[in-house]
Amino acid sequence: AQSVTQLDSQVPVFEEAPVELRCNYSSSVSVYLFWYVQYPNQGLQLLLKYLSGSTLVKSINGFEAEFNKSQTSFHLRKPSVHISDTAEYFCAVSDLPQGGSEKLVFGKGTKLTVNP
Amino acid sequence: DAGVIQSPRHEVTEMGQEVTLRCKPISGHNSLFWYRQTMMRGLELLIYFNNNVPIDDSGMPEDRFSAKMPNASFSTLKIQPSEPRDSAVYFCASSLRSGGASDTQYFGPGTRLTVL
Repeated sequence: AQSVTQLDSQVPVFEEAPVELRCNYSSSVSVYLFWYVQYPNQGLQLLLKYLSGSTLVKSINGFEAEFNKSQTSFHLRKPSVHISDTAEYFCAVSDLPQGGSEKLVFGKGTKLTVNP
Repeated sequence: DAGVIQSPRHEVTEMGQEVTLRCKPISGHNSLFWYRQTMMRGLELLIYFNNNVPIDDSGMPEDRFSAKMPNASFSTLKIQPSEPRDSAVYFCASSLRSGGASDTQYFGPGTRLTVL
């Protein structure tokens, strides 16, 4: 079964600084990759996903993630963060190659705190 | 669309009592997921249904937990008897399955369960 490692449990940054949230997964076979965001006292929302094609995927609010198959990584980046980006971010991977199951495996999350 | 609806939002109960959590998925979605979120273990999939049929219940912790989906618009997660270690936030999510894990899962706001 797949596993997901989010190396940083907490990342504090200042407003307008760049940020990278790291995510590594266990399998090198074809997978689907996701980043979800959880704002305080809310459920998770999809931020972006990689299914196939271009290895760089982008969200509408300035985040992007790059799929790196050789390093089994899917790091999330934003060049300039806002206070409103303060949230917990979860990396997830499909449990079976090529998404043969609907089951996703989630990392433990990274709490991003953006300070003024 | 109202999104995924969960009730109650908060539940406080005493050890040994029965607890029932409820979920209404997004209309037209045919897959439903129950997750549990704790500080120690992160976000864990408990069970998921497709077209009202349980597909994978390997994450259900023990016999005290049961889940049903009597129709396409309603699901319950029951814990009987409840124990303090069941204290967590329970999320329900739904997706419009087009085949595999590529579909976006839409999460409800969660039920925060406290077992005293």
